[in-house]
Amino acid sequence: GIQVEQSPPDLILQEGANSTLRCNFSDSVNNLQWFHQNPWGQLINLFYIPSGTKQNGRLSATTVATERYSLLYISSSQTTDSGVYFCAGAKAAGNKLTFGGGTRVLVKP
Amino acid sequence: DTAVSQTPKYLVTQMGNDKSIKCEQNLGHDTMYWYKQDSKKFLKIMFSYNNKELIINETVPNRFSPKSPDKAHLNLHINSLELGDSAVYFCASSRGQGASSEAFFGQGTRLTVV
Repeated sequence: GIQVEQSPPDLILQEGANSTLRCNFSDSVNNLQWFHQNPWGQLINLFYIPSGTKQNGRLSATTVATERYSLLYISSSQTTDSGVYFCAGAKAAGNKLTFGGGTRVLVKP
Repeated sequence: DTAVSQTPKYLVTQMGNDKSIKCEQNLGHDTMYWYKQDSKKFLKIMFSYNNKELIINETVPNRFSPKSPDKAHLNLHINSLELGDSAVYFCASSRGQGASSEAFFGQGTRLTVV
């Protein structure tokens, strides 16, 4: 199966700062998603982005499918952005999502 | 309206007991999944069903038995619970069997075996 590596594993931000999270895949994927797991444990869908760029408020994501990586940008971070960010991918032939290890983000006021 | 709902949200039980977790989705999806999140937050798939048929069964002890009475429901039954089964279990659903399909997750069931 595919391997998914996320970096950095931990990130501490001052409120208002910008940051970039990265996700690398060992093989091509036809389904790529970013999730935010909030402090209550809920997995919130952020982006479904097998390729291209999308934006949603202060968050945006870019996937370069040919180079097997995706980036998540957080701008003007807020304390509510704290939590764990996961990327996950599935190969074209299958449908199970393989998750990365996550990036733990703490935004300090 | 909750798209993917699991019950119960919390489950505390003794070793050796049998317990079930229920999952329902109202998205009209035909594929459902169970994932396990361990204490280090790592998420791994356990099972996947498409239109009530098992299509993915990862290396999971046979004490875990999924059941899908219809394509909107996927339940997880666990026999003879062990301490190592303590984890958060997530149900998810997506459209279609192909890979180009966004998955949505339930709120999770935190299982604690004592």
